[in-house]
Formats: sequence, C-alpha cells, structure tokens
Amino acid sequence: DQQVKQNSPSLSVQEGRISILNCDYTNSMFDYFLWYKKYPAEGPTFLISISSIKDKNEDGRFTVFLNKSAKHLSLHIVPSQPGDSAVYFCAASGGGGSYIPTFGRGTSLIVHP
Amino acid sequence: DVKVTQSSRYLVKRTGEKVFLECVQDMDHENMFWYRQDPGLGLRLIYFSYDVKMKEKGDIPEGYSVSREKKERFSLILESASTNQTSMYLCASSLYSGLITDTQYFGPGTRLTVL
Repeated sequence: DQQVKQNSPSLSVQEGRISILNCDYTNSMFDYFLWYKKYPAEGPTFLISISSIKDKNEDGRFTVFLNKSAKHLSLHIVPSQPGDSAVYFCAASGGGGSYIPTFGRGTSLIVHP
Repeated sequence: DVKVTQSSRYLVKRTGEKVFLECVQDMDHENMFWYRQDPGLGLRLIYFSYDVKMKEKGDIPEGYSVSREKKERFSLILESASTNQTSMYLCASSLYSGLITDTQYFGPGTRLTVL
C-alpha cells in the first residue's frame, strides 16, 4: 500500500508557463516532505523541502505548498524551463518516528520550448 | 560538495552469479542507503545502514545482502543474481541528526542487467 502517491505519471507544459506537480500521502505521522529531481542516467538530487509546521516554502522558481488537512503537497515551478524536464519524486518522513523517507513513484515533467 | 560514487555505471551479469555493487561517500555521513529504481515503481529501499557494521532491511530486501565494514563504504550483494533483479541501483548517503530527515545525496546509479 503506497503511503506516498504521485498520481500523475507524466506532465507536459509549455516553456514559461507554470508546472504543478502533486503528491498525496496517507500517513498522518509524516512531518517532513522533500522533492527530488532526477535526470536520465543520473542519481536524484535534492530540490526543496518543507516541514509540517509550515504551509509554504519557496526557493527561486520552486515553491512547495503543504495542505496537512488534505494530506496533500504540490510543487510549483514558475516559469518552467526546458532544463526542468526530469522525473520529480516526492518523499515523506517522520511516520512512526522514522527518519527514512518514503518515496512516491515519480512524475515525469516535459517542458516544451 | 558531497560526492557519492558507485563502482560501475553499467554491469551485465548472468543468472546465478554473485554480484557486488560498491558505493563510497566522502562526507563522513552516518547513514547509507541502497535503492532500486524501476519504471512506474519509483525508488524502493532495499537496505540501509546507520553505522559501521549496522544494517536494517528496507522494503524489498529479499535476494540481497549488504556489508558496511567502513563508514565511507556500503556494498550491496546479490547472492545469486536473477533476471528480476535487472534494474537501476542507486546508493545514497545522509547525515544523521536525530529525528530530522536530512537530505540524501545520491550516486549516479548502476544499471544492472541480468541475462
């Protein structure tokens, strides 16, 4: 049973527009959330994170929003660039006191020029 | 910059062979992890280690074992490789800071094909 779900396997966006990647979780004990980006033939790299005491965290073009009541978080990329084309993994931790993150299955973002 | 290196980028082995995947990190991190990535399944944790000689099973440990004799090195062992272990294997490391999840730093991955 997936505790972290990324229900959209892929997303296609025009350059300059907003990309919104969604993530849902089921474990109410999760209190820390991360997004990783992965290019083909490379390992994932950390992008941005958010603690459950916040509802928004921003870093340049990337913003993560957390809605605890809905157990939902989203990653916004504005404006989207072709170099943002990658697989994005959502991860969550803190469930049952564990610091080991649980990953979603990823969303493949394609940004068209 | 943290660097996590994996011994091979591509590996082809035969069914039944014993396979060793090596991972080295240079930032004195306590935690090290092995994941496999398969299309549509995301990253699945095989084993992790929070200290030298310590190991914990992840979500899919069957058919794998690990070894951590030194802090910087974490090895994944396939005792008898099977075709369903064909996958991308990713090693990661992170600091340990209590209950806070620290950023994981990943290696470039090893694409293993078992024939």
